Amino acid sequence: AAGVIQSPRHLIKEKRETATLKCYPIPRHDTVYWYQQGPGQDPQFLISFYEKMQSDKGSIPDRFSAQQFSDYHSELNMSSLELGDSALYFCASSSRPEAFFGQGTRLTVV
Amino acid sequence: AQKVTQAQTEISVVEKEDVTLDCVYETRDTTYYLFWYKQPPSGELVFLIRRNSFDEQNEISGRYSWNFQKSTSSFNFTITASQVVDSAVYFCALSEADTGNQFYFGTGTSLTVIP
Repeated sequence: AAGVIQSPRHLIKEKRETATLKCYPIPRHDTVYWYQQGPGQDPQFLISFYEKMQSDKGSIPDRFSAQQFSDYHSELNMSSLELGDSALYFCASSSRPEAFFGQGTRLTVV
Repeated sequence: AQKVTQAQTEISVVEKEDVTLDCVYETRDTTYYLFWYKQPPSGELVFLIRRNSFDEQNEISGRYSWNFQKSTSSFNFTITASQVVDSAVYFCALSEADTGNQFYFGTGTSLTVIP
């Protein structure tokens, strides 16, 4: 069965640079979530989309933005990167109540 | 306030022992969903189980079993005859049907199975 695909799997950026993370949800799933997981932490909710519209917002910094496109893939854009943005970023795809996570993108800011 | 509490931060067991991971949740919704995810060292979040609030039947899948008790707001996870490959961080999560726009995760339990 198709799973949630995230790209890239690993990303290294320098401080103040910009990063774009992509998520391709499971076909016919109507909701996408983005989560950030710092080292040794539980995943923290950033933002979600339902049918391509933003549905909820969590602790997402103003430097971050996200959108969901007509083909349902989603992108998380991160600007002015800081060392503290180094984390594992998960995308989850859901058709309530099922929810599956992608393998994550590990972002390292140096 | 934390909606999902996993009081056990770290657990170590010897291979073949049984181990139970605790999860206590808090919600005012009458319809909600509870999940368990496994996060091995490689980092991905692996879906283990989803339980609906209106279905209190316990479930067994191989060496895994789940005990859902609404009366105590608990959704505990037991691994029978643990194996080294079970070593991982396990997260319990809650999704509320009325405000189901995010998953609330517990802080995770790191399980180490010693050979």
